[in-house]
Amino acid sequence: GQQLNQSPQSMFIQEGEDVSMNCTSSSIFNTWLWYKQDPGEGPVLLIALYKAGELTSNGRLTAQFGITRKDSFLNISASIPSDVGIYFCAGLRSTGGTSYGKLTFGQGTILTVHP
Amino acid sequence: DAGVTQSPTHLIKTRGQQVTLRCSPKSGHDTVSWYQQALGQGPQFIFQYYEEEERQRGNFPDRFSGHQFPNYSSELNVNALLLGDSALYLCASSSTPLGEQYFGPGTRLTVT
Repeated sequence: GQQLNQSPQSMFIQEGEDVSMNCTSSSIFNTWLWYKQDPGEGPVLLIALYKAGELTSNGRLTAQFGITRKDSFLNISASIPSDVGIYFCAGLRSTGGTSYGKLTFGQGTILTVHP
Repeated sequence: DAGVTQSPTHLIKTRGQQVTLRCSPKSGHDTVSWYQQALGQGPQFIFQYYEEEERQRGNFPDRFSGHQFPNYSSELNVNALLLGDSALYLCASSSTPLGEQYFGPGTRLTVT
């Protein structure tokens, strides 16, 4: 099935460093969501974005909805060991004449933080 | 406030068997979506239920079917299981079909 292009695939960083990841698509989305998933668990919603150009923060996390509506970015500042996990972007749009959306996910970015 | 719950946590089935997975949405949510997540991949949309009807479906065969009950809980049924159906099955709920989706912990299905 269709997936968003998420990069990088993995990151190895030192505690305290900042992290950036992004997600691109050939299609327009109305909503962008960022999730974090720990092994064996379900994804946890971090940030939701609803308007092109929107910049939203949640603690040390900041995400942006791209102006073209085809991309989104997530930044994590001053990383800590508990930031370890897999980060997924997801896009949501209404399809055709209906109002029922499905989430389309990226492949995920695996983040490793060295103390 | 209880979040999304799923049962069972783990399940082992044999090829050709049928399986039913269950989901209770977050309090106040009336929409349930199901996803399949293979190892190392992002979740793939199976279908979404709203007002007890399947509203949208992803690229999954008819062997995958579902149901939503009047209390908004939902079931995912998979018939004639294949080895390739082994995956983590995730349920997500939202307050509207286009609302933010909150995921449960998933059911790990292994088909042998």
